Amino acid sequence: AQSVTQLDSQVPVFEEAPVELRCNYSSSVSVYLFWYVQYPNQGLQLLLKYLSGSTLVKGINGFEAEFNKSQTSFHLRKPSVHISDTAEYFCAVSGSGGSQGNLIFGKGTKLSVKP
Amino acid sequence: DAEITQSPRHKITETGRQVTLACHQTWNHNNMFWYRQDLGHGLRLIHYSYGVQDTNKGEVSDGYSVSRSNTEDLPLTLESAASSQTSVYFCASSEFLGNTGELFFGEGSRLTVL
Repeated sequence: AQSVTQLDSQVPVFEEAPVELRCNYSSSVSVYLFWYVQYPNQGLQLLLKYLSGSTLVKGINGFEAEFNKSQTSFHLRKPSVHISDTAEYFCAVSGSGGSQGNLIFGKGTKLSVKP
Repeated sequence: DAEITQSPRHKITETGRQVTLACHQTWNHNNMFWYRQDLGHGLRLIHYSYGVQDTNKGEVSDGYSVSRSNTEDLPLTLESAASSQTSVYFCASSEFLGNTGELFFGEGSRLTVL
């Protein structure tokens, strides 16, 4: 069975500093990997995804992530954060349905950007 | 524009009552999902459907049921609400994940069971 571990529940950072949100997964089969963002009182929206091909994936709002198969990781990075990046971020892996759409989510990382 | 809507957005009910949360999508997606979000647990899958008349249990399906009579709707029913079901519920839909890689989420339904 697939599972996702987000190593930090909260990450405080100052504005314009770089940030890395860590995600490790476990799976016995090939997976699709995702990062979603949730702003307060809203649903989740897709930030970026890895389906195949280049292991460095670029998403919206200047975020990027690198798929590392040997370390089973998919860490999210941004070189310079803004106040507006304050949100909760979820890493997800395709579930037992594989490419059908069933996703397994991590417990989330709350990013707090301070001025 | 296509969208996914949930109703009600907020509901307070009493233990033992039946509650139904509605989910309607206009994306014409075959796949639909219900998740619950709780502090410290992230999102956990309750039920999902890959098409009309298809339903499947997820990780935390006990006490919940769904039915899929058409493409657009996947209502979630709590047969006898319990305080442990106080949560925020999210509906989502998708195409074949290998094509789009994206779940589209509703804005959530906050349920309080007293």
